[in-house]
Amino acid sequence: DGGITQSPKYLFRKEGQNVTLSCEQNLNHDAMYWYRQDPGQGLRLIYYSQIVNDFQKGDIAEGYSVSREKKESFPLTVTSAQKNPTAFYLCASSIGQGAAGANVLTFGAGSRLTVL
Amino acid sequence: EDKVVQSPLSLVVHEGDTVTLNCSYEVTNFRSLLWYKQEKKAPTFLFMLTSSGIEKKSGRLSSILDKKELFSILNITATQTGDSAIYLCAVEGNTGNQFYFGTGTSLTVIP
Repeated sequence: DGGITQSPKYLFRKEGQNVTLSCEQNLNHDAMYWYRQDPGQGLRLIYYSQIVNDFQKGDIAEGYSVSREKKESFPLTVTSAQKNPTAFYLCASSIGQGAAGANVLTFGAGSRLTVL
Repeated sequence: EDKVVQSPLSLVVHEGDTVTLNCSYEVTNFRSLLWYKQEKKAPTFLFMLTSSGIEKKSGRLSSILDKKELFSILNITATQTGDSAIYLCAVEGNTGNQFYFGTGTSLTVIP
């Protein structure tokens, strides 16, 4: 079954530690995205990547970093520079605007990060 | 600034009621508008709308887009407790492959 796998589902971190959230897709999608979801604020874009070895900052990139070394993988690192990292993180992918077909986001099940 | 606004923010109805959720947008170079349902995990895709006035329908859910007035509505008829969720509206622009999300509408259906 094609889909997006995020891990871990739950993660606890002490202040000052970096953590990396995994996102893997087997949908053969070109584009991948990371969103942060806080209560009452909807989804906010952290980073997105339209193609391997390329990515762009979203609206709230400060304190986060990503890499896109493989088409299937788009890990997100939450660094100690992120002032308020406790949140629900969603990874998504889509075929990309340049491809034929509907450019619809498919989401993973999310990772909930809590900073102690 | 590109933005998507959903209303109401939350809604509580009784089973069997009909609800209408609203989504208005100001997005440069509009490509599509998408509706998602989120039940405490991954948002699941409901509809994609690209043309004005053409209703998309799936069971008790339907949606329509007005590109002149820049809004969309999502209707749910004969609501059931299983419809309780957050409903997200997203608009795809033509700049950098970005999707812009509203804050969502939290729907609670009580028996």
